[in-house]
Amino acid sequence: NAGVMQNPRHLVRRRGQEARLRCSPMKGHSHVYWYRQLPEEGLKFMVYLQKENIIDESGMPKERFSAEFPKEGPSILRIQQVVRGDSAAYFCASSLRVAGASYEQYFGPGTRLTVT
Amino acid sequence: KNQVEQSPQSLIILEGKNCTLQCNYTVSPFSNLRWYKQDTGRGPVSLTIMTFSENTKSNGRYTATLDADTKQSSLHITASQLSDSASYICVGTLKSPQLLHEKLTFGTGTRLTIIP
Repeated sequence: NAGVMQNPRHLVRRRGQEARLRCSPMKGHSHVYWYRQLPEEGLKFMVYLQKENIIDESGMPKERFSAEFPKEGPSILRIQQVVRGDSAAYFCASSLRVAGASYEQYFGPGTRLTVT
Repeated sequence: KNQVEQSPQSLIILEGKNCTLQCNYTVSPFSNLRWYKQDTGRGPVSLTIMTFSENTKSNGRYTATLDADTKQSSLHITASQLSDSASYICVGTLKSPQLLHEKLTFGTGTRLTIIP
């Protein structure tokens, strides 16, 4: 059973370009989370999605950032018109929800975005 | 404000020695406390999850403790190995009826280096 997969692992974009980060959850998992880790900081929650639904996007900047998790295919985190401050590691995690239990989140290896 | 503080920031010990990492958390409403191991350039990997009713949990050479009254946790590593070199991250989880999921608040981690 493959783990959470993210691609690309490294992405370099010039200021003003768009960045698209992809996340394939573990097989059977229908819950996806995106986190951002700035240098020397802890991971910060961005958005929580289920298939075809955004459940909680309270951690995501209101402008330029969007996320989706379509019925088929990977979850996508899109950053439009990137700025230098967007340079960070972006991690995706997936989980298999079990009602009433503290469920495990399994993390992917991350995508390191560098904006030049 | 929900936050997690860890100490020390970094630690260097000899292979075979024991060590203890500390975590203070302010997370409300509290659901559980997690410890993750993050190797350089990789995603976090779960070590333990403890609810407020558990005060100790072991995973091999890793033993986590939780004091829900003082809001403190520790991670003890026994007989350290070179492969234990990594960042260890304490995570407070909050959950409320208004939230449709458990929300993770990450500390900045303790960078542990094991030297031969």
